[in-house]
Amino acid sequence: GNSVTQMEGPVTLSEEAFLTINCTYTATGYPSLFWYVQYPGEGLQLLLKATKADDKGSNKGFEATYRKETTSFHLEKGSVQVSDSAVYFCALSPERALTFGSGTRLQVQP
Amino acid sequence: GAGVSQSPSNKVTEKGKDVELRCDPISGHTALYWYRQRLGQGLEFLIYFQGNSAPDKSGLPSDRFSAERTGESVSTLTIQRTQQEDSAVYLCASSFPQTNSPLHFGNGTRLTVT
Repeated sequence: GNSVTQMEGPVTLSEEAFLTINCTYTATGYPSLFWYVQYPGEGLQLLLKATKADDKGSNKGFEATYRKETTSFHLEKGSVQVSDSAVYFCALSPERALTFGSGTRLQVQP
Repeated sequence: GAGVSQSPSNKVTEKGKDVELRCDPISGHTALYWYRQRLGQGLEFLIYFQGNSAPDKSGLPSDRFSAERTGESVSTLTIQRTQQEDSAVYLCASSFPQTNSPLHFGNGTRLTVT
């Protein structure tokens, strides 16, 4: 079956630190991969996506590269801000409904 | 342009009662999804509607759970004879039908079964 595994949180960083949130997946075929973000008090929203191997998704300074050989889609940002504090979900879409990971809470301290 | 709207935002019910949760998708979004998020856990897929096709009910955890959708508009998720393990945030999302169209989520309904 399809599954997504994310690193457990919370991840606590100081402002301007480098961020990596690991995500690996198991899927049949060639799924598309996504990162969704949930800011406090808001609904989930799409952060970035990649639809085929070696694609890099990017948005708001965040990046993730679709690595088929390692079945990974790690989220990175070079310099985090307090406003990046949120829960981040990795997800894959082999067909229709998305399969989500358990989420990683990021806390950025000033 | 309104986003996905869910109601109620919070629901407290006694064990054994039935509850109905409502979702108003974004206009023009033919795809609609229900997910459940238990405390500290990821999103669990429940059911998916796409236009007039038969819904994908593969994620419904038991026959106490059912969902309906009227055309390409409002959807209701019904939980009969609620149990304490049904306590969770129930999230609705909608999207255009194209593969990989981003999902737009509502703020969810927090259900607490006492």
